[in-house]
Amino acid sequence: EPEVTQTPSHQVTQMGQEVILRCVPISNHLYFYWYRQILGQKVEFLVSFYNNEISEKSEIFDDQFSVERPDGSNFTLKIRSTKLEDSAMYFCASSAQQGNEQYFGPGTRLTVT
Amino acid sequence: AQKVTQAQTEISVVEKEDVTLDCVYETRDTTYYLFWYKQPPSGELVFLIRRNSFDEQNEISGRYSWNFQKSTSSFNFTITASQVVDSAVYFCALILRNSGNTPLVFGKGTRLSVIA
Repeated sequence: EPEVTQTPSHQVTQMGQEVILRCVPISNHLYFYWYRQILGQKVEFLVSFYNNEISEKSEIFDDQFSVERPDGSNFTLKIRSTKLEDSAMYFCASSAQQGNEQYFGPGTRLTVT
Repeated sequence: AQKVTQAQTEISVVEKEDVTLDCVYETRDTTYYLFWYKQPPSGELVFLIRRNSFDEQNEISGRYSWNFQKSTSSFNFTITASQVVDSAVYFCALILRNSGNTPLVFGKGTRLSVIA
């Protein structure tokens, strides 16, 4: 069964460093998303992406964040200068059509020290 | 703006008991989808069900059933004869239809503990 994959599973970085989180969405899906979940809290939307451009972004997704689909399979989230409060689980998701169920990857746990 | 409320923060039941997880949503739109996701202790988010706002039929899948009532803006989830493997955080979510690539709006989740 097709699934969304994410790498790495856990990333530890120092404050101020850049990180890139990688995702491979389900191959025939067209809509891509990044969410994050601070430990024990709700899942929060960061950004949605379709047709090689950002569709929507939340207030969390400020200038420190960027997304890219560098090739036909990868979808990346970059945080330029990490802060302590960026520590969270980051989930990538994809869906075949807008409004369809979104399938989530296993997440990348980002720890900023 | 859309909002999903899961008033039950934590529920604890004994195995084989039935349990209902409540979900109340708010939206001014008439076309939307409702979802339930399960987050087991391993941390991944597992899709359980999607419901169209036009379809108020209740749905049953094995031990799981969902009760969608537009009149009360609720989409409740019942697990019958609960098992220890049902222990997880359950999230209710909403997405608007026909509004571009809008994201899922999640509730805060209900942590279900099933005790053997």
